[in-house]
Amino acid sequence: AQTVTQSQPEMSVQEAETVTLSCTYDTSESNYYLFWYKQPPSRQMILVIRQEAYKQQNATENRFSVNFQKAAKSFSLKISDSQLGDTAMYFCAFMKQGNQGGKLIFGQGTELSVKP
Amino acid sequence: DTGVSQDPRHKITKRGQNVTFRCDPISEHNRLYWYRQTLGQGPEFLTYFQNEAQLEKSRLLSDRFSAERPKGSFSTLEIQRTEQGDSAMYLCASSPWGLASLSYNEQFFGPGTRLTVL
Repeated sequence: AQTVTQSQPEMSVQEAETVTLSCTYDTSESNYYLFWYKQPPSRQMILVIRQEAYKQQNATENRFSVNFQKAAKSFSLKISDSQLGDTAMYFCAFMKQGNQGGKLIFGQGTELSVKP
Repeated sequence: DTGVSQDPRHKITKRGQNVTFRCDPISEHNRLYWYRQTLGQGPEFLTYFQNEAQLEKSRLLSDRFSAERPKGSFSTLEIQRTEQGDSAMYLCASSPWGLASLSYNEQFFGPGTRLTVL
């Protein structure tokens, strides 16, 4: 069975600074996807960034980038130039690849506060 | 298309009552997922459908829970004889599994139904 662990329940960062959220996972699968989802207060979950395990290059989406270390089973999220709107719960998630995949396995979440 | 919708947004019920939630996915999405999220935790998978077929159910889904997607469009999740431990946010998501040009089949989430069992 797959597990996802986020060891930082809460983090805070000053506006315009950079913050890194940690995530580790455990799986025996070779092919899978990893995601970071954002859940703002009282709002629905949205996808921030995704990574295919077969790709060595780390994914980047504007101010968001990941550090994917497949051997270490580590998948951290870096947010550059933090903005007040980045305040949210962030969830790391795992999905098996292939037709038996599809369901997401989430970590416990990290609550990020961006302070002015 | 305005995205995934869920109804009701909030439900308060007494222990022992039955409740039913509805999810309307994005229209062209063939997969529909249900998750449960308790306060301060990540969502946990409950079940998913591909079109009208229920392909997987979590062990979290006790006999009191049943889900349907009769015509491959909207889905309902029913909880019978509710217990206080059922209090949670129930999230629905949909995805265009195998249909989109992208390989990772992003899941789009609805706003959730918050259930409170008194």
